[in-house]
Amino acid sequence: DTGVSQNPRHKITKRGQNVTFRCDPISEHNRLYWYRQTLGQGPEFLTYFQNEAQLEKSRLLSDRFSAERPKGSFSTLEIQRTEQGDSAMYLCASSLGGRGSNQPQHFGDGTRLSIL
Amino acid sequence: DQQVKQNSPSLSVQEGRISILNCDYTNSMFDYFLWYKKYPAEGPTFLISISSIKDKNEDGRFTVFLNKSAKHLSLHIVPSQPGDSAVYFCAAHLQGGSEKLVFGKGTKLTVNP
Repeated sequence: DTGVSQNPRHKITKRGQNVTFRCDPISEHNRLYWYRQTLGQGPEFLTYFQNEAQLEKSRLLSDRFSAERPKGSFSTLEIQRTEQGDSAMYLCASSLGGRGSNQPQHFGDGTRLSIL
Repeated sequence: DQQVKQNSPSLSVQEGRISILNCDYTNSMFDYFLWYKKYPAEGPTFLISISSIKDKNEDGRFTVFLNKSAKHLSLHIVPSQPGDSAVYFCAAHLQGGSEKLVFGKGTKLTVNP
């Protein structure tokens, strides 16, 4: 079990630029989730995939945000025309699906985005 | 609106004593609750969970209690160890198929040697 891997760990960019983050879930997990965490807050749900299908999206996911999981394995989260308010930690999680203590969501260490 | 509330931003206890972290929720449609621990520069790590049909779940030094009528749950850590110092998040699942977790703001626990 190599855990959930996220790259890059840190991203600094200028306002207006596009950024893309990658998440590699635990290999046998079919569910993949994206969350955003800002200072002093808990993680906030953005979207989730079951295999390659995007099944749920939060209102937080504006039209500048897009997520994909093309082959049901790794996922990318792209933010276009970044704004100051996009500065946050972006967390990815994966699970075997369903709900229960046997199938919790396992989180990566996140990508910290800073907008200059 | 904050559906999952952790009203204590911080808690400090002595090593060996009990740590009690509290969480309140407002949505009666939550049917599953989880606790995560987070160290600086790391992602949240799953600790323990409880279904709404139970009132207690125990795993080693960690016990979670659920009081549905009060919409309150608590995490007990006994005995507390310095390595338990971290931010603890309470999270909840909505019944009805959504798999998103709704998190509280977290409580920073400091266990003093």
